[in-house]
Amino acid sequence: NAGVTQTPKFQVLKTGQSMTLQCAQDMNHNSMYWYRQDPGMGLRLIYYSASEGTTDKGEVPNGYNVSRLNKREFSLRLESAAPSQTSVYFCASRGPPARWQYFGPGTRLTVT
Amino acid sequence: GESVGLHLPTLSVQEGDNSIINCAYSNSASDYFIWYKQESGKGPQFIIDIRSNMDKRQGQRVTVLLNKTVKHLSLQIAATQPGDSAVYFCAEKVDSSYKLIFGSGTRLLVRP
Repeated sequence: NAGVTQTPKFQVLKTGQSMTLQCAQDMNHNSMYWYRQDPGMGLRLIYYSASEGTTDKGEVPNGYNVSRLNKREFSLRLESAAPSQTSVYFCASRGPPARWQYFGPGTRLTVT
Repeated sequence: GESVGLHLPTLSVQEGDNSIINCAYSNSASDYFIWYKQESGKGPQFIIDIRSNMDKRQGQRVTVLLNKTVKHLSLQIAATQPGDSAVYFCAEKVDSSYKLIFGSGTRLLVRP
């Protein structure tokens, strides 16, 4: 039982490049979330998916798109990366028996 | 590597002492408050939660206190150990989707 896995662990992009951050969970959770964490700040919700086939915007969705590929996988796409998107990105999932979100190890993204 | 920046409030305690980490929240309508622990280079990990109709809840070596009058939450760690060194975040549940709003965090350093 790996929990929540994220790939890649580290990534450096040039401004304007695109990439997809991958997230998968093996806990049969219905809900999945993407957060970003900037220095000195807490986590901010980018997008979430309450169940397979649904996605909704969070607090800071601009510049991102998501895909809930199936129950296990929830990807985050940056179509045209900007330096302001330099951050650590965390994926989380939630479902019984846990009431609260269970987080992955994060992806550290640098945009130059 | 570090997951958060260098400008977080920091609490430094002696090993074996008790620690108290504080948090102010903003939404009077939140019905749950949660504490997460984030070790360096890892994702946040759930510690304990408290429902808004409670004032106090105890776990193993941790106690959460909720003061709704002044919108204040605290996490008490008894007999602090080196393994408790981490950044601690409070979070509040926003709505029925179980979205969370995170505080900016407090770094706990345990001196041997």
